[in-house]
This record gives sequence, structure tokens and C-alpha cells, in this order.
Amino acid sequence: GAVVSQHPSRVICKSGTSVKIECRSLDFQATTMFWYRQFPKQSLMLMATSNEGSKATYEQGVEKDKFLINHASLTLSTLTVTSAHPEDSSFYICSARGPLHTDTQYFGPGTRLTVL
Amino acid sequence: DAKTTQPNSMESNEEEPVHLPCNHSTISGTDYIHWYRQLPSQGPEYVIHGLTSNVNNRMASLAIAEDRKSSTLILHRATLRDAAVYYCILLKPRDDKIIFGKGTRLHILP
Repeated sequence: GAVVSQHPSRVICKSGTSVKIECRSLDFQATTMFWYRQFPKQSLMLMATSNEGSKATYEQGVEKDKFLINHASLTLSTLTVTSAHPEDSSFYICSARGPLHTDTQYFGPGTRLTVL
Repeated sequence: DAKTTQPNSMESNEEEPVHLPCNHSTISGTDYIHWYRQLPSQGPEYVIHGLTSNVNNRMASLAIAEDRKSSTLILHRATLRDAAVYYCILLKPRDDKIIFGKGTRLHILP
């Protein structure tokens, strides 16, 4: 099946720094990718829809200036957490719809962000 | 959007079948029933989906009620590696984004 990767898998940073997370579709092109955040013992929360070549669409309550999304190519979307604070510590997951407009969404393995 | 209702948690013994229920009484005619699961510290993975007929694949079976207001994910022989949170989700054919509910946390007892 289609594969989505994320890098890094884990990152620890100091409060106030910015962190970039990459999401790649390895063997297919994805015009649309999605970013989720998941706190411990909770479900995934959709943050934004990343559109190749255009601005991302953010869900209500998600600060677009805080979580910068760039989808510069058909296989790469990046999420930058700017001026990270401890409350941004979470598990960040991306996904993309499979090739040939299949109904299946493929998820990345997630990135564990810890802000000290 | 039509919503789904699932039990918060379930337990099953290893090597026994598991039936995970999902209620979706407000399902519309164009909604597909999708199941994803999330193993600990991993991203979700697709399990199975269907519209009206029962579906089988190498991972599981999906039994859909005749009125489509409920469905059951069946794991024929649970292993410890099947311990995960299982999400039942309704999606229309052109839907891209998935809104996750709380899912069912499945515990497998050795």
C-alpha cells in the first residue's frame, strides 16, 4: 500500500524555538494532506488541510500563525510549530489520501514533540 | 455530519474472535463506513470499509446491518498485536478529511 513518512519521529526543543515537521508521500502524489494533533489518551484532532500550491485551511481554533503549513510539492508538506511552548507538546500526525483517488487515507507514523 | 457511537473499551481473549460494534443511526445513503485502528504510539492505519454489503479482507470482516444504522468490525482471531483503538468513521466518496471520534480501546488478554 501507499506509504506516508514523517521526520523527525521525535523532537525535544526549548521553549521559544521553532520546530519543523516533514510529511512525505513516498510512492504517490498527494495534492492534499492533513495534519492532526493528539494529546495523551485522547483522539486525533484535525488541525488543518494542506493544499499543494495554495494556502492551508485551518480548523476552528487552530492558530495559523502558530502552526505554519507549507505544501510546496506533491509529495511534501511541512508543519512548523513557531515559538513552541510546553503546551504544544503533543503527537503530530499527517495523512494523505491514497493514489488514484482511492477511499483510503494513509497516515504517517507520527512525530512526538516535547517542549521543555 | 453523521456521527458514530462506539463503546469506550472492550476486552477479548487472545485467539478468540472479536466483534466491535458501531452505531450510526443518522447515516445517509452516500456515507461509506470506514474503520481505522491506531496501535500505541503509531499513526492510524486503514482496516476496512464498505457501503451496503459485508466486506472481507486479510485484516478483518465488516458486517453491515440491512438498514445500515449499525455495523460490526470482526477480527476473526485476535492476537496481542490487535490491541489498539478502533475508530468507526462515516465518509462520503469525495470526503478527504477524517474527523475522529473517541473510538473503542480494545484490550487483548493473553
